[in-house]
Amino acid sequence: DTAVSQTPKYLVTQMGNDKSIKCEQNLGHDTMYWYKQDSKKFLKIMFSYNNKELIINETVPNRFSPKSPDKAHLNLHINSLELGDSAVYFCASGRTALGYGYTFGSGTRLTVV
Amino acid sequence: GIQVEQSPPDLILQEGANSTLRCNFSDSVNNLQWFHQNPWGQLINLFYIPSGTKQNGRLSATTVATERYSLLYISSSQTTDSGVYFCAVYTDKLIFGTGTRLQVFP
Repeated sequence: DTAVSQTPKYLVTQMGNDKSIKCEQNLGHDTMYWYKQDSKKFLKIMFSYNNKELIINETVPNRFSPKSPDKAHLNLHINSLELGDSAVYFCASGRTALGYGYTFGSGTRLTVV
Repeated sequence: GIQVEQSPPDLILQEGANSTLRCNFSDSVNNLQWFHQNPWGQLINLFYIPSGTKQNGRLSATTVATERYSLLYISSSQTTDSGVYFCAVYTDKLIFGTGTRLQVFP
């Protein structure tokens, strides 16, 4: 009964490939996020969806495309992977009205070779 | 946008020692949180502390919003406290600080 689950946990792929990371939450939260953590551990928001609607889109290459089929799922698709995309990607969910109580997934470590 | 800086960037302690981690933010906020990222990468919410002081076991946090800083105190540190500690401010999204990497040795 994991609250926020991401798959896969590890992803190793070659440059130029396209890959997807899936995220699901069973907490009934209305907002979901994707964060990227680089090798220096900096955590930076990429996208935010509220009830399937994109509300935050930070300066992210358009090779990254989030998709939210329903408010419990937020997937991240990455086209034409580059070496610099190697990082840990975290999914999170929360209630916008509260602004706290966020729950993070366990992360997906993406390595582009 | 808001800048969130943490200090020190790295901290090495022996078990049993106490420590204070600091978080400075560049603009007024009414929502500050502390997280712990354990050595396996999991991010755990420690405190929601927009102002005042809260305590949870050996950990406590204080936020002085008018002076734009927050402190996380760890007393009698244990090896399980190791990891990276982040503060984060919420506007329409969580903006994380630069982190403090803590290593506690037996």
